[in-house]
Amino acid sequence: NAGVTQTPKFQVLKTGQSMTLQCAQDMNHNSMYWYRQDPGMGLRLIYYSASEGTTDKGEVPNGYNVSRLNKREFSLRLESAAPSQTSVYFCASSESPSSYNEQFFGPGTRLTVL
Amino acid sequence: SQQGEEDPQALSIQEGENATMNCSYKTSINNLQWYRQNSGRGLVHLILIRSNEREKHSGRLRVTLDTSKKSSSLLITASRAADTASYFCATATGTASKLTFGTGTRLQVTL
Repeated sequence: NAGVTQTPKFQVLKTGQSMTLQCAQDMNHNSMYWYRQDPGMGLRLIYYSASEGTTDKGEVPNGYNVSRLNKREFSLRLESAAPSQTSVYFCASSESPSSYNEQFFGPGTRLTVL
Repeated sequence: SQQGEEDPQALSIQEGENATMNCSYKTSINNLQWYRQNSGRGLVHLILIRSNEREKHSGRLRVTLDTSKKSSSLLITASRAADTASYFCATATGTASKLTFGTGTRLQVTL
């Protein structure tokens, strides 16, 4: 089992460019999440998908869109990147939307916006 | 806004010593979870404590929860160099799986 995989590992964008971060899990989990991690800020939830076909905003959704392509895949899109979106992005999954389930994290994508 | 604040921000101890880190939060919770993050890696779940529990153990980990003080502590006994990592508390305020993470404690265990 690969667990949660993310691509790319690193990315540098210019302001205004767009890109999609990919995430896939092979644990047959129903719920998936996107977080960003900034120095001294911990992780903040951007969007989540409780189950296939549903998506909801988290704490910091502005400037992002998501697609739950199927049960395995959950992508995060930056339509017009801004320097404030420089961060490390983590995808996670859990068995179900219950808060009693642990979340499994991918290795992260380090994004720099110039 | 951050739900959890961890204290201390950084902790340096020698191998074999115990490490204690604390987490305070602001609103009522359903449960509290602790995660570990090794440098440059994703987070790994360590332990979950429910709001009606006061203490929980898992191997060398001991977690306490005081809902009246809105605080939790994570104790790692007999620390090893491999325990060097950042530790985060995360709170769940409802039945949904949205977690709010604290700012983390960086633990350095030296030989």
